[in-house]
Amino acid sequence: NAGVTQTPKFRVLKTGQSMTLLCAQDMNHEYMYWYRQDPGMGLRLIHYSVGEGTTAKGEVPDGYNVSRLKKQNFLLGLESAAPSQTSVYFCASSTLNFLDRGSYTFGSGTRLTVV
Amino acid sequence: AQSVTQLGSHVSVSEGALVLLRCNYSSSVPPYLFWYVQYPNQGLQLLLKYTTGATLVKGINGFEAEFKKSETSFHLTKPSAHMSDAAEYFCAVTDSWGKLQFGAGTQVVVTP
Repeated sequence: NAGVTQTPKFRVLKTGQSMTLLCAQDMNHEYMYWYRQDPGMGLRLIHYSVGEGTTAKGEVPDGYNVSRLKKQNFLLGLESAAPSQTSVYFCASSTLNFLDRGSYTFGSGTRLTVV
Repeated sequence: AQSVTQLGSHVSVSEGALVLLRCNYSSSVPPYLFWYVQYPNQGLQLLLKYTTGATLVKGINGFEAEFKKSETSFHLTKPSAHMSDAAEYFCAVTDSWGKLQFGAGTQVVVTP
């Protein structure tokens, strides 16, 4: 029972490079989320998905794109990395059950540095 | 719109002393409220949650929180701190669609 798995765990990018962060969950959850965590700012929602083939913007979507081609996977892409995107990125998932809303399972994070 | 304010970005407590972390929220809908904990270099784990019903909720590792609607608060407490409680704690509230809005977090340091 792996839960939510994020790859890679660490990455250093040069300004302008692109990369994709992968999130995989094995709990058959409908909802998936990408957050970024910055000191003193808590976690801010980048994009989320309420099901396979659907995505939506969160609080800080600029500079990121996402795709959810399979229910278990949620990809976060950076097309042209900028130093402001240096952060720790967390993926999370949750069930469709409205009574369980807010009860997320988180991955262990990806620490990204853009130089 | 929903928002969460955590009072104090850093809290230092002695081992065995009371842990009190403060959280105030605003919400346009009846809130679901949460406390998550993040240990060093790990993801967040659900500590406890309030949905409806009993306003005092108990979580893992001896933590509890009380929902006070009149004060729009959801403070987290633990009677006796342990060294293993050193972590960052996040209060959160759901919006009407179930997405979480997090506070800025409170770093807890436990001293011997």
